[in-house]
Amino acid sequence: DARVTQTPRDKVTEMGQEVTMRCQPILGHNTVFWYRQTMMQGLELLAYFRNRAPLDDSGMPKDRFSAEMPDATLATLKIQPSEPRDSAVYFCASGPTGLNTEAFFGQGTRLTVV
Amino acid sequence: AQSVTQLDSQVPVFEEAPVELRCNYSSSVSVYLFWYVQYPNQGLQLLLKYLSGSTLVKGINGFEAEFNKSQTSFHLRKPSVHISDTAEYFCAVSDPTDKLIFGTGTRLQVFP
Repeated sequence: DARVTQTPRDKVTEMGQEVTMRCQPILGHNTVFWYRQTMMQGLELLAYFRNRAPLDDSGMPKDRFSAEMPDATLATLKIQPSEPRDSAVYFCASGPTGLNTEAFFGQGTRLTVV
Repeated sequence: AQSVTQLDSQVPVFEEAPVELRCNYSSSVSVYLFWYVQYPNQGLQLLLKYLSGSTLVKGINGFEAEFNKSQTSFHLRKPSVHISDTAEYFCAVSDPTDKLIFGTGTRLQVFP
């Protein structure tokens, strides 16, 4: 059963600490998205990649956030330093090129910054 | 740039009643339209999609949506809802570059 895997599922960290969230896209999918979900803003697109290259990361605060795909099986989202306002659920999704088919979502990482 | 507006943040409805969740989009290019559902503590999953062709699209769990280009709408409907349909529903639009943008969501609450 192919699925997008995100780790960790939950993360509590202190303000100022570095946070790394990981995503394993479905094998063969070459489009990967990072979203942030909050009550106030809903689902915000932070960045997305095609064939490991960033296509658009305009939704991401550049001073503290970074997103990479070291290889086709791993996408990472880092926050350094973290702040309380970063508390949210972060979702990774993957899909085949020509995404007018479907984006498959992971279970999300719930981040709490205290 | 494309955008999506979901006009209702919450929709309460009684079981077996019909429901419509509204979605309007804006885009300067051809778009593809989607509805996703999110159950508590879960990721999103696809309900249905419009790519081209027939403007009435049928999806899973008895849901359907109608694409209306002149009104730039893509409303989701179900003729008779069940308690298990209680969830958050998201309308989304993608463009030819595969950028996938979501609306703010509509919370559907079905009461017995």
